[in-house]
Amino acid sequence: DADVTQTPRNRITKTGKRIMLECSQTKGHDRMYWYRQDPGLGLRLIYYSFDVKDINKGEISDGYSVSRQAQAKFSLSLESAIPNQTALYFCATSEGRSQYFGPGTRLTVL
Amino acid sequence: AQSVTQPDIHITVSEGASLELRCNYSYGATPYLFWYVQSPGQGLQLLLKYFSGDTLVQGIKGFEAEFKRSQSSFNLRKPSVHWSDAAEYFCAVGRPDNQGGKLIFGQGTELSVKP
Repeated sequence: DADVTQTPRNRITKTGKRIMLECSQTKGHDRMYWYRQDPGLGLRLIYYSFDVKDINKGEISDGYSVSRQAQAKFSLSLESAIPNQTALYFCATSEGRSQYFGPGTRLTVL
Repeated sequence: AQSVTQPDIHITVSEGASLELRCNYSYGATPYLFWYVQSPGQGLQLLLKYFSGDTLVQGIKGFEAEFKRSQSSFNLRKPSVHWSDAAEYFCAVGRPDNQGGKLIFGQGTELSVKP
């Protein structure tokens, strides 16, 4: 079984809808991250969390919110989706210096 | 501010040929350095990393990278490319002062392999 899982893997939604992307990990890591990937821009950090009680904004947090429900679970929400949030979203975990990524969620906002 | 540049957006090499993917970074000290690979439809897999010590590091799948402080570079190399190496490659840097373990990624280099 994969160490970092993301659900759903693909999602198509409409402008204005609320959507939640979920991430679960079995690695036992305290730190978790959400990134978005856009062609030609690499990955950019949205939010990160050091532990259940800690949430920090990343480079591009506007329009997003997160919830750290447990050490193993970190969810990303788009309160009112807009088309420029169409992207590939990755969750990652770390313990120490290296990060380990989930398979990604491809989100399309129409 | 930190930044990472991968000058080549797309590279095509023939199977069996050697490969070098370039990565340059901007940071006031020696950062932590990483190379990740993303195969189509897959997440990112860590190929190799450099924290300190020997400037030539070996990774998985026959890849290696060399840290050159004077050039602020961390180029990825492979002596003989296989068709399965076709993927997108990302260079990333992290700060040794451990600002949340955050990584800054380059724009990515897409590798195509010709038969």
